[in-house]
Amino acid sequence: GESVGLHLPTLSVQEGDNSIINCAYSNSASDYFIWYKQESGKGPQFIIDIRSNMDKRQGQRVTVLLNKTVKHLSLQIAATQPGDSAVYFCAENGPPDKLIFGTGTRLQVFP
Amino acid sequence: DGGITQFPKYLFRKEGQNVTLSCEQNLNHDAMYWYRQDPGQGLRLIYYSQIVNDFQKGDIAEGYSVSREKKESFPLTVTSAQKNPTAFYLCASSIGHRKATNEKLFFGSGTQLSVL
Repeated sequence: GESVGLHLPTLSVQEGDNSIINCAYSNSASDYFIWYKQESGKGPQFIIDIRSNMDKRQGQRVTVLLNKTVKHLSLQIAATQPGDSAVYFCAENGPPDKLIFGTGTRLQVFP
Repeated sequence: DGGITQFPKYLFRKEGQNVTLSCEQNLNHDAMYWYRQDPGQGLRLIYYSQIVNDFQKGDIAEGYSVSREKKESFPLTVTSAQKNPTAFYLCASSIGHRKATNEKLFFGSGTQLSVL
């Protein structure tokens, strides 16, 4: 079946470095993608989204890149801070019009 | 503060017992959802409601029931038929049921359910 997955279950970065979290999706008909951040014991928090008619979208310190050719999504976090430590989920919205979530990547930021 | 409130934060269930998880939102959103989160797995949809007095089964509805009598409330009951209820339960809402506005979900802080 269709699925959303992540390449790296855990990513460790030094404070101040840039982080890149990757996500592969398999449903070529998906037209909307979203990234969530989830801190321990809390609900997911919206970070950024992108529609399939775009390749790149920027927010505050975050950038999402979409490569439809290889069905790949990435989240880039600039100047990673300790407060960025969390689990990051990607999700795709495709037929039958519901969000499918990946398993998540844990981002650990060390000083 | 506008948002989604889930309570309680922690809940314990005895074998054979039904328990109800509460979810309230004051965002004036039409659609509400319940997800189950297990370690190492993505969120799985239990039930969703596009509008008051209507709801549909998600991917793992067996052993659960819901009601949507009010726009702002969408309680989830975990019945005794759910044999593996231990999980983190997340409630979410979205603006409306039209595709363009139905994609961004706003989540509550979750309820951790454990079996005694």
